[in-house]
Amino acid sequence: QKEVEQDPGPLSVPEGAIVSLNCTYSNSAFQYFMWYRQYSRKGPELLMYTYSSGNKEDGRFTAQVDKSSKYISLFIRDSQPSDSATYLCAMDDSNYKLTFGKGTLLTVNP
Amino acid sequence: SQTIHQWPATLVQPVGSPLSLECTVEGTSNPNLYWYRQAAGRGLQLLFYSVGIGQISSEVPQNLSASRPQDRQFILSSKKLLLSDSGFYLCASVVKTSYNEQFFGPGTRLTVL
Repeated sequence: QKEVEQDPGPLSVPEGAIVSLNCTYSNSAFQYFMWYRQYSRKGPELLMYTYSSGNKEDGRFTAQVDKSSKYISLFIRDSQPSDSATYLCAMDDSNYKLTFGKGTLLTVNP
Repeated sequence: SQTIHQWPATLVQPVGSPLSLECTVEGTSNPNLYWYRQAAGRGLQLLFYSVGIGQISSEVPQNLSASRPQDRQFILSSKKLLLSDSGFYLCASVVKTSYNEQFFGPGTRLTVL
């Protein structure tokens, strides 16, 4: 079993939809959880990070962590065409390295 | 905030040729530095990381090598490229804080023919 599983999609939604992106993991040592956004042919950029179980909100984005289920989510409200990108989850066990999911390709159609 | 530079942006090389990709970081000192390769459908693969000058840890055995001659310079090299070396190479930097927030450079797209 891979350490981090993420559905690669692709996911296509109409503008204004609520988007749900998810990752599951197996390593209980993971302490920090992050979501990166990567536009085509660009480097990833950090969207959000969380430490504990629960929700963290930033504008239209909400990150959710459930450590008991080893499950994290990113919700995007009122999705926009500019949100079209690949979204990568990443997890940190405080050992210098991040473990990334493979990414989910999202397209928001006008 | 830190800025990461990578060059070249794109590169087309024949099989068997050497490779040198450079990454430099501005706006921070003594960062942890990372080289990743991203191939289509395969996510980000960590190749090397460095916690200081001259300190390199290899994650995947292959025909690539890395060096860190200066605090904010990280170089990825190969003596002879393989077709399987094609991909998008990303350099990342971490300021050593309480969590591993990695900042990525713009990447180098390498095509080996």
